[in-house]
Formats: sequence, structure tokens, C-alpha cells
Amino acid sequence: DTGVSQDPRHKITKRGQNVTFRCDPISEHNRLYWYRQTLGQGPEFLTYFQNEAQLEKSRLLSDRFSAERPKGSFSTLEIQRTEQGDSAMYLCASSLGPDTQYFGPGTRLTVL
Amino acid sequence: GQQLNQSPQSMFIQEGEDVSMNCTSSSIFNTWLWYKQEPGEGPVLLIALYKAGELTSNGRLTAQFGITRKDSFLNISASIPSDVGIYFCAVHPTGANSKLTFGKGITLSVRP
Repeated sequence: DTGVSQDPRHKITKRGQNVTFRCDPISEHNRLYWYRQTLGQGPEFLTYFQNEAQLEKSRLLSDRFSAERPKGSFSTLEIQRTEQGDSAMYLCASSLGPDTQYFGPGTRLTVL
Repeated sequence: GQQLNQSPQSMFIQEGEDVSMNCTSSSIFNTWLWYKQEPGEGPVLLIALYKAGELTSNGRLTAQFGITRKDSFLNISASIPSDVGIYFCAVHPTGANSKLTFGKGITLSVRP
């Protein structure tokens, strides 16, 4: 399968713990995006990379959130000191240039 | 901020029926996208519209980009049980060719 992959698919953690998610985009896609989705809502933009450069960050991305794409391929999203409000589906998408974004299956985070 | 309006929140139809859903905004957009999301998965692109007035089909799906550039509709003909899911419209916010802004989605149920 050559689509966007995300790992893990599910993560349950206790409040205060740190978590890290990984996204592998479609090969050769230079753009990578992170979104967050809560129940009953559409995905909300968090951040965007073009190659290894993080070009845009949403105000939703608090200081506890950090994303990297060190070699312009896979990306990680880390949440430090998780809070119950961080519980959501974290979606990754990739695209070639400004064209169609293809989404991965998401990582569902539950913070207890 | 820029907001996309999708209503109703849920639709219930009989297998074989056609269904139409629309997406409206008070702002003008140059690209309208329709995604479908199934439980536990990421959104999948159904149709992308790039030109006002454009009518595009993808199998039993047809979508139109409103002439005012403030709305779009998606029509599903001869519905089948696997059409069940959440249908989102999405746009690129003005001035941004990166992130997508999504509506809240319409949950479609198909009765066999």
C-alpha cells in the first residue's frame, strides 16, 4: 500500500504523559499536513510542512505540541503533558505541491 | 473566521434513493472539495472542483461548484449501503494554498 500511513492507530495515555505520533506520507509528496478531529467536527488544521520546513502553524497548536519533519519524509507530532482536551483523532495528509491532499487513517488519542 | 455550513447534520435514506447535500459559505472560494469519511478512517477525496459552475462526476457521485463561488452541492444517485459515512465539504481558505477548512459534515445512513 502506497498511501499515507500513521502509527500508532490508537493510543491511550494518562494525563500528564508525553505521546508521539508518526506519519509516513506518500512517496515524493513534498507537503505534509497535520489535522485534529474531534467528534462531530471536521478536521481542523494544525500545521504544514513543505519538505523539512514547517511553514505554517495554527493557533490550535499550543506550546505543548511540536511537529518535525527532519528529512523531508516522515513526520512526528509530539504532545507533551497531555490533557484530557487533547483526546481526538490526529490526521496526517500529504500532497504533491498545492494539489489534492491525501489523508492517512489517523491516530486516535484518548487521554485518561 | 471562514466557516462552511453543512446541514442537516444527519440524513437517512432508503437504498436506491438519490440524495443531495450542499455546502454554503458567506465567503468566496476558488476550490471546493468533497470528502467521505468512514468510522475509524481518514477522509477520502471524492471530487475536487476548480471552476465556478463546474459540474463533475465520479461514478454515482456528481458535484457542482456554485456560480457565486460561495456554495457547492454533492449528489449521490441510486444509493447503496456502502455509501454510509460522513460527507465533508472543504475549501482552501483565501490566500492559502496549503491548509484545508472543513465543514462539520453530514452523516448519511442508508436503509437496506
